[in-house]
Amino acid sequence: EAQVTQNPRYLITVTGKKLTVTCSQNMNHEYMSWYRQDPGLGLRQIYYSMNVEVTDKGDVPEGYKVSRKEKRNFPLILESPSPNQTSLYFCASSLWGGRAGDTQYFGPGTRLTVL
Amino acid sequence: QQPVQSPQAVILREGEDAVINCSSSKALYSVHWYRQKHGEAPVFLMILLKGGEQKGHEKISASFNEKKQQSSLYLTASQLSYSGTYFCGTASLQGAQKLVFGQGTRLTINP
Repeated sequence: EAQVTQNPRYLITVTGKKLTVTCSQNMNHEYMSWYRQDPGLGLRQIYYSMNVEVTDKGDVPEGYKVSRKEKRNFPLILESPSPNQTSLYFCASSLWGGRAGDTQYFGPGTRLTVL
Repeated sequence: QQPVQSPQAVILREGEDAVINCSSSKALYSVHWYRQKHGEAPVFLMILLKGGEQKGHEKISASFNEKKQQSSLYLTASQLSYSGTYFCGTASLQGAQKLVFGQGTRLTINP
């Protein structure tokens, strides 16, 4: 089954404790992306990647890091989480990143709370 | 800049039609449309590229007017399953892979 998986689904942590949210897709997609969703603000793109070792900033990259060492995986790293990073995070992937006929698939989401 | 969606919310009876608009201040390369149900991930509906095309997906279709930097999503003969929040995501000519989403339009379909 074609899917995007994220782990963990729920995480409560404390300020400053480094964490990683994993994202994996099984569709051999070139494009992967991370979003955060906050009430009233909608979805905002954090980082995206067009292929292995190719990443770029979205609208709200501050406080986040990513890496794309393998095509299927795109982890999101918060090196020193702060309470304003409490949010619902989605990973997504698509074949080309927005060409005709492309479809972006979202993972189930990770609800992060930083105390 | 974030595209502006209108209306912010709409309530319909089953079988009625709805139009959701998405307007950007930037020249656009593409517009994506998604539906999200409460507690779930967004689901892709369609992508429209510059060229003024109109696409259809069952009873849901969309148009893209690149000159006006606007897109509209049309839901005809709405069904209960159409309820949810609809988001447009726009990509500019300078960064086709960088998506900026509107704030969403909450659609409620009542029997």
